Amino acid sequence: DTGVSQNPRHKITKRGQNVTFRCDPISEHNRLYWYRQTLGQGPEFLTYFQNEAQLEKSRLLSDRFSAERPKGSFSTLEIQRTEQGDSAMYLCASSLQGEQYFGPGTRLTVT
Amino acid sequence: AQRVTQPEKLLSVFKGAPVELKCNYSYSGSPELFWYVQYSRQRLQLLLRHISRESIKGFTADLNKGETSFHLKKPFAQEEDSAMYYCALSGRNTDKLIFGTGTRLQVFP
Repeated sequence: DTGVSQNPRHKITKRGQNVTFRCDPISEHNRLYWYRQTLGQGPEFLTYFQNEAQLEKSRLLSDRFSAERPKGSFSTLEIQRTEQGDSAMYLCASSLQGEQYFGPGTRLTVT
Repeated sequence: AQRVTQPEKLLSVFKGAPVELKCNYSYSGSPELFWYVQYSRQRLQLLLRHISRESIKGFTADLNKGETSFHLKKPFAQEEDSAMYYCALSGRNTDKLIFGTGTRLQVFP
């Protein structure tokens, strides 16, 4: 499968714990995006990278959230001190120019 | 404010009926408009974008700048069109997508 992959696909954690998600983009894509989707809503933009540079961050991305793309390839999204409101589907997408290709998402449940 | 509005959460039609999924947007400038589709148990994928002016799977969408709308249309719905449809926009200086809340299309046999 040469599409965008995300791991894990599901994560259940207790409130206050830290979690980290990984996204592997399509190999030649230089842009990588993170979105969050809650029930009944469309995806909401969190942040995006061009190569290793983080170019834009949403106000939704509180200081408990951090994203990295250290070598311009895969990316990680870490949430510290998780809260129940963080429960959502976290989507990653990548692009070369124009169309964004989405991964299957990581579903986070905070209990 | 930048916003995409999809007023219908659910649209149900019978096979062969025409379909129109509504999308209105608010954006100061000239956005690029998209329709994304998510079939059951599949990932989100691009259906069409306004600059390409294509018809994909029989769907078309015309950008109406005066009404700030980008409605998705298909003259004859098929059962396999049943899915979640999201309208989205991006701005000139950013690639981030702003999505609407989505419309679920159900096509009955």
